[in-house]
Amino acid sequence: GNSVTQMEGPVTLSEEAFLTINCTYTATGYPSLFWYVQYPGEGLQLLLKATKADDKGSNKGFEATYRKETTSFHLEKGSVQVSDSAVYFCALRPYFNAGGTSYGKLTFGQGTILTVHP
Amino acid sequence: NAGVTQTPKFQVLKTGQSMTLQCAQDMNHNSMYWYRQDPGMGLRLIYYSASEGTTDKGEVPNGYNVSRLNKREFSLRLESAAPSQTSVYFCAGRDRDSYEQYFGPGTRLTVT
Repeated sequence: GNSVTQMEGPVTLSEEAFLTINCTYTATGYPSLFWYVQYPGEGLQLLLKATKADDKGSNKGFEATYRKETTSFHLEKGSVQVSDSAVYFCALRPYFNAGGTSYGKLTFGQGTILTVHP
Repeated sequence: NAGVTQTPKFQVLKTGQSMTLQCAQDMNHNSMYWYRQDPGMGLRLIYYSASEGTTDKGEVPNGYNVSRLNKREFSLRLESAAPSQTSVYFCAGRDRDSYEQYFGPGTRLTVT
């Protein structure tokens, strides 16, 4: 079956530090890959996505590249801010077509808590 | 547009009590989902509805029932709550064109 594994957390950084959160996946075919962010007390928001190998998703200074050879989708940011403190989830969606039965179901990693100190 | 809304935000139940979590969306989603979020386990799919009038089990359906009342509303019912159902519950809707899922703010449920 499909699965997503994220690096163990929590991660604590100082402001302006470099961030990497590792994510690897197991899936058949060519899934789409996502990073979601959950700020304290809120629901999940889509941060970025990539739908095919070698695609790079980017948003708000965050980036992740879909690496099929290593089945990875690591999240990076060059200089984190206090406002980036949140929980980050890596997720995959199996290849979906109109006749398929996956109905766009997402499989999530366990989440990584990021705390950024001033 | 309100997006995806959930009620209540917080709830405390005693073991054996029942309750219904409500979810509504005004984004014209066909598909809707219920997840639970537990520490260290990410989000796990409880039930989903591919379209109005249809529902299917997800990864962890035991102890829950759902109703897709109409296109906008998808409710989750706990008939006899258990402490193992203490969790944060999220509803989501899926965009018809992009297939992206949009999440509600969540319901924090504690069963004592």
